[in-house]
Amino acid sequence: GAVVSQHPSWVICKSGTSVKIECRSLDFQATTMFWYRQFPKQSLMLMATSNEGSKATYEQGVEKDKFLINHASLTLSTLTVTSAHPEDSSFYICSASGRGGGQPQHFGDGTRLSIL
Amino acid sequence: AQKITQTQPGMFVQEKEAVTLDCTYDTSDPSYGLFWYKQPSSGEMIFLIYQGSYDQQNATEGRYSLNFQKARKSANLVISASQLGDSAMYFCAMREGFQGAQKLVFGQGTRLTINP
Repeated sequence: GAVVSQHPSWVICKSGTSVKIECRSLDFQATTMFWYRQFPKQSLMLMATSNEGSKATYEQGVEKDKFLINHASLTLSTLTVTSAHPEDSSFYICSASGRGGGQPQHFGDGTRLSIL
Repeated sequence: AQKITQTQPGMFVQEKEAVTLDCTYDTSDPSYGLFWYKQPSSGEMIFLIYQGSYDQQNATEGRYSLNFQKARKSANLVISASQLGDSAMYFCAMREGFQGAQKLVFGQGTRLTINP
């Protein structure tokens, strides 16, 4: 089945650091990828839709200058959390979908980000 | 307004019993897809089953089946012969339209615990 790889799986870093998370579709081309954020015991909240070769579409309330998204190829999207602070600590997870109708979104394994 | 509602925060079931996880949705789009995902404590999102709004038959995948009641706007997940490994968070999600590039909206989730 379709595989989405997300890296790193776990990051601990100091406040003020920028952190880059990669999301790769390994066996299919993904013109669109999605980035979600999940707080403990809560559901997934969509942050932005990443479109290959164009600007990402951010959900209301998500700071685009804080969460930089780059989708430079059909198999790679990156999320950079700039100048991270403790309140940015969360579980970030990406997904990608094939082109056909009815295709499910396949998720990466997620990244646990802890800002000290 | 909440588009996807899961009213059961937690469910406790005896091993080998069947369990039904509730999901109701709200949309005015006649074309939509409904998904169920399983999220173990490790965090990854595992796709379980899909139902399209025009599908005549209820979807089935092994021990998983989706009880699709279109008029009632419900898409309950039924797990037959539950196993200890079924203990996890379960999320219902909806995608309006059939394009893979359309975003998913998730319900709040149900934590299922299977007791031995």
